[in-house]
Amino acid sequence: QVQLQQWGAGLLKPSETLSLTCAVYGGSFNGYFWTWIRQSPGKQLEWIGEINHSGNTNYNPSLKSRVTMSVDTSKSQFSLHLTSVTAADTAVYYCARGGAGTAPSKRKNDYWGQGTLVTVSS
Amino acid sequence: QAVVTQEPSLTVSPGGTVTLTCASSTGAVTSGFYANWFQQKPGQAPRALIYSTNNKHSWTPARFSGSLLGGKGVLTLSGVQPEDEADYYCLLYYGGSWVFGGGTRLTVL
Repeated sequence: QVQLQQWGAGLLKPSETLSLTCAVYGGSFNGYFWTWIRQSPGKQLEWIGEINHSGNTNYNPSLKSRVTMSVDTSKSQFSLHLTSVTAADTAVYYCARGGAGTAPSKRKNDYWGQGTLVTVSS
Repeated sequence: QAVVTQEPSLTVSPGGTVTLTCASSTGAVTSGFYANWFQQKPGQAPRALIYSTNNKHSWTPARFSGSLLGGKGVLTLSGVQPEDEADYYCLLYYGGSWVFGGGTRLTVL
């Protein structure tokens, strides 16, 4: 059974950097793309981006200038860093298993973390 | 960035059938958009239902099905159960990036 457990700072000030980490338990880490998704207070979901075990990434064009994702295969973990946060970045952030390989047809987004509420406020 | 549009809300009677749609501002939704569908209940993370237009996960109830119709992605619920009351989101692929729809709140009444 694949489980994702995520953690990170829940309260940030404007201009700070958001940092979240997601650990994967069970199943294989290599060979998959791992995804970050967020949900605003208004419930809109937004795909942030994905990374695989080799560090290959795809980012949402609207966030690309502020997003960096990294991976630590030795720990089966992947991380999200979002710089220069503002109140608009306040959301519940989820990590998820995107899918195996590079083909979009394999993007199942099947296992999700529990979510982390990140609030940006001065 | 493309905009993905879903019905804001729908109501269905128990045992009935309901169709949720997912439209793209760029034009017709085809198999190349690899539509995903998710169900979300209050206080929970989204749960994957459908991937790549019409493929079910092992846990997806048989009453849920995905398809394409009239240039849109479609999620059909047949024989709706009270526990199907939830928010439903679609997710479409745009050449390396993905965009979620605004979600449909399904009420079972």
